[in-house]
Amino acid sequence: DAGVIQSPRHEVTEMGQEVTLRCKPISGHDYLFWYRQTMMRGLELLIYFNNNVPIDDSGMPEDRFSAKMPNASFSTLKIQPSEPRDSAVYFCASQGGSYEQYFGPGTRLTVT
Amino acid sequence: ILNVEQSPQSLHVQEGDSTNFTCSFPSSNFYALHWYRWETAKSPEALFVMTLNGDEKKKGRISATLNTKEGYSYLYIKGSQPEDSATYLCAFNTNAGKSTFGDGTTLTVKP
Repeated sequence: DAGVIQSPRHEVTEMGQEVTLRCKPISGHDYLFWYRQTMMRGLELLIYFNNNVPIDDSGMPEDRFSAKMPNASFSTLKIQPSEPRDSAVYFCASQGGSYEQYFGPGTRLTVT
Repeated sequence: ILNVEQSPQSLHVQEGDSTNFTCSFPSSNFYALHWYRWETAKSPEALFVMTLNGDEKKKGRISATLNTKEGYSYLYIKGSQPEDSATYLCAFNTNAGKSTFGDGTTLTVKP
């Protein structure tokens, strides 16, 4: 298995633009998590899905953030419009029955 | 709200020293406790998962213990090496599926 795949690995965009981050979880895992890493707040949980259904989105900072999981093998995190304070590393992680999370390599987002 | 606390926040040791740090979690509704290792510029990687009171796990020079009744886990590193420098995260699970992470202990091992 290739592990959790995230794309792009790096994204540089201008303020106001739409940003879409993508994640392919490990096959067979029924949980998917989106996290954000910042210097100030460490690892923050944004939203998580169970069997493609959003369970808890209380960590999503604002309405500018949205996430979808149309099927078991794909999820997106969208920011529209993006702002400089959204600059961070965004991790996707998937989890199976052992509740052990497998993290993707992350997407480093820079909003100028 | 589930509080998972790790201490100390950071730790600096000399190469060869042994060290340990603590993860505290709620003692009710326990399902699993995980330790992750997070190196700078990489993503967190799972070290151990523990589910039973009294569990002890070992991987090389790193080991962990679990006390679910009092709600704590210790991570031990014997003979620290510079390559052990990382942030060590613990994560607590009830059976609801979501992990609650602590803020981590950042270990720096000086050669």
